[in-house]
Amino acid sequence: SYELTQPPSVSVSPGQTATITCSGRKWGDKSACWYQQKPGQSPVVVIYQDTKRPSGIPERFSGSTSGNTATLTISGTQAMDEADYYCQAWDGVFGGGTKLTVL
Amino acid sequence: QVQLVQSGGEVKKPGASVKVSCKASGYTFTSFGITWVRQAPGQGLEWMGQISAYNGNTIYAQKLQGRVTMTTDTSTSTAYMELRSLRSDDTAVYYCARDHRGYDLSHYYYMDVWGNGTTVTVSS
Repeated sequence: SYELTQPPSVSVSPGQTATITCSGRKWGDKSACWYQQKPGQSPVVVIYQDTKRPSGIPERFSGSTSGNTATLTISGTQAMDEADYYCQAWDGVFGGGTKLTVL
Repeated sequence: QVQLVQSGGEVKKPGASVKVSCKASGYTFTSFGITWVRQAPGQGLEWMGQISAYNGNTIYAQKLQGRVTMTTDTSTSTAYMELRSLRSDDTAVYYCARDHRGYDLSHYYYMDVWGNGTTVTVSS
């Protein structure tokens, strides 16, 4: 088995770009997805199949993969984006989660 | 609308079993799988396994093999997750989620609709 490593925390000022990474496997032909979870709520998928955004997810959320790293980028971060973010691999493994703080 | 409604919270003693239900509505139940995920207090998400609502095929997390069983009842569009020989570290919120698995230039797997969560507390 393997682990997916995410930074435990990321801080960003409102309006700036937040970048959250997920490493630990060679992505290649295996895609990543990302979930947002706010306190007391169920997770919500914000990116699937590396780069796709579900309907209703703002355009400021984007995703990419390169080599061993999948990346979630939030451009023009807003206070409402403050949450925990989890990456997930195609075989179900979750990253440890990143707490995004919007200062 | 598409939704998954889970059964209510449970309190169990160590060694007991728990069975959580997840009733789907608003979509064709057999066209998707159901994934189960748990989250211990203050911790991250842990994938438990997945069941195809189409044919009942299951995949379980290695650490839960032998203790977990996932089933579906297509007549009621309900999925079930049973966990046996409960321990204190099984205390968690248990989620069901509708999943998408396949291949489209790359292998993919994600969950787009999540249940409301069921709190299972294991305590003597």
